[in-house]
Amino acid sequence: EVQLLESGGGLVQPGGSLRLSCVTSGFTFSNYGMSWVRQAPGKGLECVSSLSADGGTAFYADSVKGRFTISRDSSENTLYLQVNSLRAEDTAVYYCAKGLTSSPRRPPDYWGQGTLVTVSS
Amino acid sequence: QSALTQPASVSGSPGQSITISCTGTSSDVGGYNYVSWYQQHPGKAPKLMIYDVSNRPSGISNRFSGSKSGNTASLTISGLQAEDEADYYCSSYTSSTTPYVFGTGTKVTVL
Repeated sequence: EVQLLESGGGLVQPGGSLRLSCVTSGFTFSNYGMSWVRQAPGKGLECVSSLSADGGTAFYADSVKGRFTISRDSSENTLYLQVNSLRAEDTAVYYCAKGLTSSPRRPPDYWGQGTLVTVSS
Repeated sequence: QSALTQPASVSGSPGQSITISCTGTSSDVGGYNYVSWYQQHPGKAPKLMIYDVSNRPSGISNRFSGSKSGNTASLTISGLQAEDEADYYCSSYTSSTTPYVFGTGTKVTVL
């Protein structure tokens, strides 16, 4: 059974930083692209970043370029998202999602339950 | 990268069929057969219902079907049931420099 478990969210002041983690199990982590998708309260879905299976190719939404960094550790079957220079508009539930293939560009199949990031003073 | 366009809401009575549209451009929906559809109940994570335009993952009811014509993809739910009431999102591969793109979302109401 595929499982994705996010952690690291919380309340942070504007300009602050967090590191989100997603521990995975139930599939061969190193074979699949992975991504982070966020959903602001009452709003739709936005893929903020995705990463190829080998970790060599990353994509970022324009709204987070230069502030967020995606990475993965295949020895720990874990995906990360370093989020810096946080703004109020970054407040959202952040979901970790498993790709259908090794590509970071195709929509995902499995999703975690999400971790809430709240940016407020 | 702009979001794909979906109707804000669609409704139907139990047993009826409804169709949700998802309109993009030749750079996303129209250019690739990599359109997925997700169902999201309140407070829950999205669930994959259709991938690669018309394929159903294992365990998904055959009441759900997908298709595409030009720059518009569609999700049809036949034999509508109360449990189908949820938000639905489409998503597509895109040739832009950003990750895959989502639709604006459609709230399905079972009357």
